[in-house]
Amino acid sequence: EDQVTQSPEALRLQEGESSSLNCSYTVSGLRGLFWYRQDPGKGPEFLFTLYSAGEEKEKERLKATLTKKESFLHITAPKPEDSATYLCAVQVYHSGGSNYKLTFGKGTLLTVNP
Amino acid sequence: GAVVSQHPSWVICKSGTSVKIECRSLDFQATTMFWYRQFPKQSLMLMATSNEGSKATYEQGVEKDKFLINHASLTLSTLTVTSAHPEDSSFYICSASSGWVRGEQFFGPGTRLTVL
Repeated sequence: EDQVTQSPEALRLQEGESSSLNCSYTVSGLRGLFWYRQDPGKGPEFLFTLYSAGEEKEKERLKATLTKKESFLHITAPKPEDSATYLCAVQVYHSGGSNYKLTFGKGTLLTVNP
Repeated sequence: GAVVSQHPSWVICKSGTSVKIECRSLDFQATTMFWYRQFPKQSLMLMATSNEGSKATYEQGVEKDKFLINHASLTLSTLTVTSAHPEDSSFYICSASSGWVRGEQFFGPGTRLTVL
């Protein structure tokens, strides 16, 4: 069974205090790993897709990396507007049916205090 | 680009009634659409996957007769919660994929359903 575990469940940072969120996964065949940001009462907003170990992607203060077992979302000098829940999801190869199914982790609630 | 809308954004209904939620891809053709349910402080749980013009594939434990999904066109999918009960109260979110962007899913803003 595909499993996605995110840690920590919650993280409080001061503005400017850099940190990392972790997403570890156990899947049969990884097709892609996705990071989303979700604000309260809203749908997830797409951030990154990573497809192979060693791949890195950056967007503003966020940088996502991928190994064969886990992914990290690094936040550099965060601002209060970065406060949100960050979701990690894996997409695996399926024989038959949809190959685009996502399995989500429970998310990390990030709070950045001014 | 890649904008997905949902309607309504929130709905309150009486127990036993049916509620229809629409999901539209506004600027791309969605070959596949997905319906998720999210309970407070929980992650997204996939309910079903639908491809345009064919029957939806439901996840284990999701009642297909209770959650009717129709994907009539490449830009519209609907989820109908039939004979809703208070335990169906949740946040329902759809997503859409065009397939050509290597399987990326773009999510709608969600619909908050409250069943009294």
